[in-house]
Amino acid sequence: DADVTQTPRNRITKTGKRIMLECSQTKGHDRMYWYRQDPGLGLQLIYYSFDVKDINKGEISDGYSVSRQAQAKFSLSLESAIPNQTALYFCATSEGGTDTQYFGPGTRLTVL
Amino acid sequence: TQLLEQSPQFLSIQEGENLTVYCNSSSVFSSLQWYRQEPGEGPVLLVTVVTGGEVKKLKRLTFQFGDARKDSSLHITAAQPGDTGLYLCAGVRTGTASKLTFGTGTRLQVTL
Repeated sequence: DADVTQTPRNRITKTGKRIMLECSQTKGHDRMYWYRQDPGLGLQLIYYSFDVKDINKGEISDGYSVSRQAQAKFSLSLESAIPNQTALYFCATSEGGTDTQYFGPGTRLTVL
Repeated sequence: TQLLEQSPQFLSIQEGENLTVYCNSSSVFSSLQWYRQEPGEGPVLLVTVVTGGEVKKLKRLTFQFGDARKDSSLHITAAQPGDTGLYLCAGVRTGTASKLTFGTGTRLQVTL
């Protein structure tokens, strides 16, 4: 089984809808991250969490919110989706004190 | 502003050729990582370099961290079709523990 899972893997929605993307991990890592990937831009950090009570904004947090429900779960919400939020979204984890991040398989989100 | 610029953005070569991908910045990084991403999957770590001037080899891949820790390169010798993918550099800036800044990516295609 994959160590970092994301659901759903693909989602098509309409402008104005609320969307939640979920991430679960079995690696036992404290740190979790949400990124979006657009062609030619690499990965951009949306939010990150170093433990259950610690939530921090990344480079591009506007229009997004997150919830760290447990050490193993970190969800990303789009309160009112807009077309320029169409992208690939990745969740990642890392162990405290190390820089290596382990990525989930991604969610392809399309906002019409 | 993109902190890490990769070049080239796209590279299409034939099996057996050599290639070099560059990752450049004006910022200093305490460590730099290279990831490879295949379609439908998240990035997977290839290597981490932490010392200025460091060279690491992974089979046919050679990674170098610049003396000033502002740049890095990835050299592939005798490329094979299995090397096809998106190569991403990512750095940890001094004082931003575990927050990765990703490069713009280099998409490599190796044909027979």
